[in-house]
Amino acid sequence: SQKIEQNSEALNIQEGKTATLTCNYTNYSPAYLQWYRQDPGRGPVFLLLIRENEKEKRKERLKVTFDTTLKQSLFHITASQPADSATYLCALDGGGTGANNLFFGTGTRLTVIP
Amino acid sequence: DSGVTQTPKHLITATGQRVTLRCSPRSGDLSVYWYQQSLDQGLQFLIQYYNGEERAKGNILERFSAQQFPDLHSELNLSSLELGDSALYFCASSAWDINTGELFFGEGSRLTVL
Repeated sequence: SQKIEQNSEALNIQEGKTATLTCNYTNYSPAYLQWYRQDPGRGPVFLLLIRENEKEKRKERLKVTFDTTLKQSLFHITASQPADSATYLCALDGGGTGANNLFFGTGTRLTVIP
Repeated sequence: DSGVTQTPKHLITATGQRVTLRCSPRSGDLSVYWYQQSLDQGLQFLIQYYNGEERAKGNILERFSAQQFPDLHSELNLSSLELGDSALYFCASSAWDINTGELFFGEGSRLTVL
């Protein structure tokens, strides 16, 4: 069956450190993968998109890698700040399934401790 | 502000009742997606419309239906409500039919079924 797994439900790190979140998938062949941020009771907000032919993408303090062999994406936040505390969702397209939408993981709740 | 508007923000109703959730997409976006988010399930894709036509269907129950109107706003109808239908319902929009870019999410409608 198809699965999108994010490494842990919750991750606590110290301010200033680098947070690394993992997204693994099985039985998908996505053309691209996206990361979203979701604050409690709010809608997800798009952060980054990386395509299958891209190894790495950066945006300010954010970095995403995409390894289609390992079927894994890593999401890094460098110099983390308490304001980065939120739930982070990975999402991928239904490439190969015929679906025309995004499939989301259950998310990792990141807490940055001052 | 994503530009996607959802109403109502909160809704409390009883089992067996019917409710309608409304979504106005971002100006110019032709695709509307509906997602359900419950505590134990994460974001689950329900249905997508593009320019008034149904394009993709996910795990949408037969008791649920949706439509997209000529002015591109969309409504999600939930009937014969059960306790398990309590969740956050998100609408998202994008410019294109084939989803190769980000989704813009509304703030959601929180449905509580008592």
